[in-house]
Amino acid sequence: AQKVTQAQTEISVVEKEDVTLDCVYETRDTTYYLFWYKQPPSGELVFLIRRNSFDEQNEISGRYSWNFQKSTSSFNFTITASQVVDSAVYFCALRNYGGSQGNLIFGKGTKLSVKP
Amino acid sequence: DAGVTQSPTHLIKTRGQQVTLRCSPKSGHDTVSWYQQALGQGPQFIFQYYEEEERQRGNFPDRFSGHQFPNYSSELNVNALLLGDSALYLCASSTGAEGQYFGPGTRLLVL
Repeated sequence: AQKVTQAQTEISVVEKEDVTLDCVYETRDTTYYLFWYKQPPSGELVFLIRRNSFDEQNEISGRYSWNFQKSTSSFNFTITASQVVDSAVYFCALRNYGGSQGNLIFGKGTKLSVKP
Repeated sequence: DAGVTQSPTHLIKTRGQQVTLRCSPKSGHDTVSWYQQALGQGPQFIFQYYEEEERQRGNFPDRFSGHQFPNYSSELNVNALLLGDSALYLCASSTGAEGQYFGPGTRLLVL
């Protein structure tokens, strides 16, 4: 069965602190995609990143970075020098590779609050 | 370039009623997926439409049905509404192997 676990329900930090959001996934597939989405209070899910299972290179995009480790089935997300605008719920998701694209399996999300 | 749009933004219904939600995909996208997000939970996959056919379905009862039109827009219909159907309904569009882009959602409240 496929499953995504985000053990941190809520995290609160002060502006400029670094914060890491954890994501652990389970799948029997050898090829798959992993995603992170941001959901601000407005409700719309904003796509942040997609990684495929072949590529374990870590990625950095501005203040955001992602650490994919297949050995531990983890895909963690770090925000460096957090800002108030980063406050949102963050979801990690998993999808089968190929075929009909399949559906996204989401974790329950981590609510991040960044205080000034 | 317009993103994914959904209508209405909010809806209030009573138990037993029927509801139709609408979604227009991002320009160039041909696949539409629908998700239900209960309060405090991650989105749950309902079904996906491609070429006007339901291509994949999640674990939702037959009360949930859908349709895709030739212009790729889509509708989600829910019959015999239950209190537990209260949620944010998200539409996502995609094409090929691209990631899914989500709309702002429709908040449904069933009283």
